[in-house]
Amino acid sequence: DAGVIQSPRHEVTEMGQEVTLRCKPISGHDYLFWYRQTMMRGLELLIYFNNNVPIDDSGMPEDRFSAKMPNASFSTLKIQPSEPRDSAVYFCASSFGEGVYGYTFGSGTRLTVV
Amino acid sequence: QKEVEQNSGPLSVPEGAIASLNCTYSDRGSQSFFWYRQYSGKSPELIMFIYSNGDKEDGRFTAQLNKASQYVSLLIRDSQPSDSATYLCAVPHNYGQNFVFGPGTRLSVLP
Repeated sequence: DAGVIQSPRHEVTEMGQEVTLRCKPISGHDYLFWYRQTMMRGLELLIYFNNNVPIDDSGMPEDRFSAKMPNASFSTLKIQPSEPRDSAVYFCASSFGEGVYGYTFGSGTRLTVV
Repeated sequence: QKEVEQNSGPLSVPEGAIASLNCTYSDRGSQSFFWYRQYSGKSPELIMFIYSNGDKEDGRFTAQLNKASQYVSLLIRDSQPSDSATYLCAVPHNYGQNFVFGPGTRLSVLP
């Protein structure tokens, strides 16, 4: 298995632009998670899905952030408009069942908003 | 939201020594505990998980859990420079549906 695949690996964008991050979970995994990591705040859960349905989006910082999972093999995290404080590494992770054996993380997308 | 605390480090140990990483958590109802390793610029990877009080060994790694004290630790025996990384403690929220991560402890193994 190729693992959790995220794209792009790096994204540099100007403030105010729309940014879309993409994730392909491991085949057969039914949970998908989006995390953000910064030096100041560590790893923070933004949103997670079960069987393509959003379960908890309480970690989404603002209405500028939105996430979708149109099918079992694809999810997007969109920021519109982007701001410099959104600069972080965004990780997607997936698991089978309720994560009792932990998650598998993707390689992450390093987002820089200038 | 559960609180998970770790010393940020850096923790420096000489090669071959035992590295001891500690984690405390606030929710007495927590049932399982996970340790992830994150190399600089990489994603977290699962090392071990533990559910029961006591010790769980996997190669050079031992996880120790004391639910009464709300304390979980990770011991790394015969530390190697390749063990230099940040170690994250994670506690499932809502019975395993998502994790709360601690801030991580940065370990440096000196050759």
